[in-house]
Amino acid sequence: GAGVSQSPSNKVTEKGKDVELRCDPISGHTALYWYRQSLGQGLEFLIYFQGNSAPDKSGLPSDRFSAERTGGSVSTLTIQRTQQEDSAVYLCASSSRGQGSSPLHFGNGTRLTVT
Amino acid sequence: QKEVEQNSGPLSVPEGAIASLNCTYSDRGSQSFFWYRQYSGKSPELIMFIYSNGDKEDGRFTAQLNKASQYVSLLIRDSQPSDSATYLCAVNPSGTYKYIFGTGTRLKVLA
Repeated sequence: GAGVSQSPSNKVTEKGKDVELRCDPISGHTALYWYRQSLGQGLEFLIYFQGNSAPDKSGLPSDRFSAERTGGSVSTLTIQRTQQEDSAVYLCASSSRGQGSSPLHFGNGTRLTVT
Repeated sequence: QKEVEQNSGPLSVPEGAIASLNCTYSDRGSQSFFWYRQYSGKSPELIMFIYSNGDKEDGRFTAQLNKASQYVSLLIRDSQPSDSATYLCAVNPSGTYKYIFGTGTRLKVLA
């Protein structure tokens, strides 16, 4: 596609429910990143994929968070048993090489609200 | 010391002036540097990237890199109210896959 596509754009869920956030990167981009941005805060790194592998999961806040990527393309971030502190904008980004020398291109994000 | 530091602002400049946004970083081996613009409620949008010491110009934007001083800046000439946004500096340390973001500088261009 022309850009990074994320869905849904908004998600309201009740505390304790599971949610799945989807990211479709730019075609041909091998590297995919998930970030989280809370209101008025900076970007918090969650996880990095190179192809289907996740060499760095160090940013995932707890074992309630998991992510996968299939076919070297679409990625899904899953949050189990959501908590109110999970409320944030979840941003997906992709880059062509994933070696840090090529720019990240961001999707429009998923705004998650846990009530 | 934070890995990437930016003044949070707000930086207020009058319309038509030059806005100067600054960023310092701690990893001396960093190789790639990026500037993103983020409007309120929107996702970051790439403005420029720079790899070599010196200046790189693109329209009204100029990125300046000084690796010896571990300093990268973004100049916006002829600032417009539509430039009002938060500007994020991102650094790639030592050729890794990581992108370290600063917390951003909020720019306000006054009409």
